[in-house]
Amino acid sequence: QVQLQESGPGLVKPSETLSLTCTVSGGSFSSYHWSWVRQSAVKGLEWIGRIYTTGSTNYNPSLKSRVTMSIDTSNNQFSLNLSSVTAADTAVYYCTRARLALAGLFDSWGQGILVTVSS
Amino acid sequence: EIVLTQSPATLSLSPGERATLSCRASQSVSSYLAWYQQKPGQAPRLLIYDASNRATGTPARFSGSGSGTDFTLTISSLEPEDFAVYYCQQRGNWPPWTFGQGTKVEIK
Repeated sequence: QVQLQESGPGLVKPSETLSLTCTVSGGSFSSYHWSWVRQSAVKGLEWIGRIYTTGSTNYNPSLKSRVTMSIDTSNNQFSLNLSSVTAADTAVYYCTRARLALAGLFDSWGQGILVTVSS
Repeated sequence: EIVLTQSPATLSLSPGERATLSCRASQSVSSYLAWYQQKPGQAPRLLIYDASNRATGTPARFSGSGSGTDFTLTISSLEPEDFAVYYCQQRGNWPPWTFGQGTKVEIK
């Protein structure tokens, strides 16, 4: 049974960079692509981007200029950096998994981490 | 970007009743439409994928239908644990993959 666990600071100051890591355990890492999805009261559920174990990435066009994702296959981890944050980036951030053959279908989710942007 | 519009926003029903939830896409997503269930304090859970396929562990009382722009999630007889928020999500046209705004199924 795969488990995904988000980690990182719960409070980020405006204009700074939000950095989160997702650690994956209990399942194959290479047969999937890995995404970040966030949820806020204003915007609902929003896909941020995905990364393959090769390091190849795709981002939501609305966030593309501020997002960078990376992956560490030796430790089964992937990360999200979101720069120049504002209060609008306050949300619960989830890491998710999708099978390579079912791209964009999120069959496993982490528990989520609340990130608040405030000074 | 594909916009998914769910209706109604809230559905008030009693246990044992049938629930019918709608999701309409701003343009065709073929059959690449999924449904997720979310309970308070939990992450969304995949229920239905590609319009009508139940995910592993999804009870048979959940069924999905539709194609193109109009989709339906039906819960044939509501159990107490089914009262939750339901989201549709499309993966037929990207980037980005998008979600609907949700339908809350509440106890009447």
